[in-house]
Order: sequence, then C-alpha cells, then structure tokens
Amino acid sequence: DQQVKQNSPSLSVQEGRISILNCDYTNSMFDYFLWYKKYPAEGPTFLISISSIKDKNEDGRFTVFLNKSAKHLSLHIVPSQPGDSAVYFCAASRAQGGSEKLVFGKGMKLTVNP
Amino acid sequence: ETGVTQTPRHLVMGMTNKKSLKCEQHLGHNAMYWYKQSAKKPLELMFVYNFKEQTENNSVPSRFSPECPNSSHLFLHLHTLQPEDSALYLCASSQGQGNIQYFGAGTRLSVL
Repeated sequence: DQQVKQNSPSLSVQEGRISILNCDYTNSMFDYFLWYKKYPAEGPTFLISISSIKDKNEDGRFTVFLNKSAKHLSLHIVPSQPGDSAVYFCAASRAQGGSEKLVFGKGMKLTVNP
Repeated sequence: ETGVTQTPRHLVMGMTNKKSLKCEQHLGHNAMYWYKQSAKKPLELMFVYNFKEQTENNSVPSRFSPECPNSSHLFLHLHTLQPEDSALYLCASSQGQGNIQYFGAGTRLSVL
C-alpha cells in the first residue's frame, strides 16, 4: 500500500505561469515532508521541506503548502522556468532527525514550455 | 567535488557475473542508503546503515549484498542477478535517518 501518492504522472505549463504539484499521504503519523527534483541521469536533489507544525514554507520561487486535515501537500513554483522541467518526488517521514526512513511517492514529470 | 559519489555510472553484466557498486559521501553524514528505481515505480528503499550498522533490510534478495566498512563508504555487491534487477541504483546519505537525504547520481545497471 502506497503511503505517499502523487496521482498525476505529468504536468505541462507555460513559462512564467504557476506550476502546482500535488501529493497525498495516508499515514497520519508523518510529520516531516520534503520535495525532491530529479533531472535525467542525475540523482534526486533536495528542494524544500516542511514540518507538520507549519502549513507553509517558502524559498524563493518555491512554496510548499501542507494541509494536515486533508493529508495533502502541494508545491507551487512561481514563475515557472524551462529549467524547472524535471521529475519531482514528494517524500514523508515520521520524525525529522529520528530513526524513521523517508517514504517517497512515484514522482511527477513537470515540463515547462518556453 | 560532489557530496555523494557513485561508481560506476553505468554497468552491464551477465547473470553469472559478480560486480560491486560503490558509494562515497563527503558530507560527514552517519546514515547511508541504497535505493532501487525501476521505471514508473517509486524509489524502493533496499538497505539502511546508521553508524556502519545495518538498520534495515527491506526484504531484499540475497543476490544483493551490502557492505559498509565506515560511515563514508557503502558498497552493493551483486551476484547471479536477474534481468528484472536492471534499474537505476541510487545511494544517499543523511545526518540522522529522518533528515534530508542527499543522493548520488546513481548507477544504471543492465543485466543481460
């Protein structure tokens, strides 16, 4: 049973517009959430994270929103740039810095068209 | 120099071969991981090492044998693999198991 779900396999947006990537989770014990970006032929790179004590975390063009009651988080990229085209993975764990491992979603391919 | 280095980047092997994947991290982390990424599947955690001790084996077949001689190095020894083992194998490290993991570029393995 997948505990972290990224139900949309792909998203295509125009340069300059907003990209919204969604992620749902089933385990209510998760309290730390991360987004990773992966280019072809490279390993995933950490993008942004959020702890369950917050509902929003912003870093430049990237903002992650967390809705604990809905067990849903989203990544907003504004404005989107062609260099943002990559596969994005959502991940969750039960305790930041603790002994629990990260659980990853399947990933979603974002294409930003010039 | 990148934080997590994996070698080789590409590997083709027959089902009777024995080969090893190597991972080295220069970040001073204490936890290291092996993941398998097959097409259209989530990242599958294989093994976790924390301070050189294996803390998780995620029901991985014995034809995959990990080795962690110290906190900076992690190996994955391969023998008598199957074609379905062809995948991207990723190594990662973190400071503490629940924290941000930093990944290497991966080894693309093809088993013929």
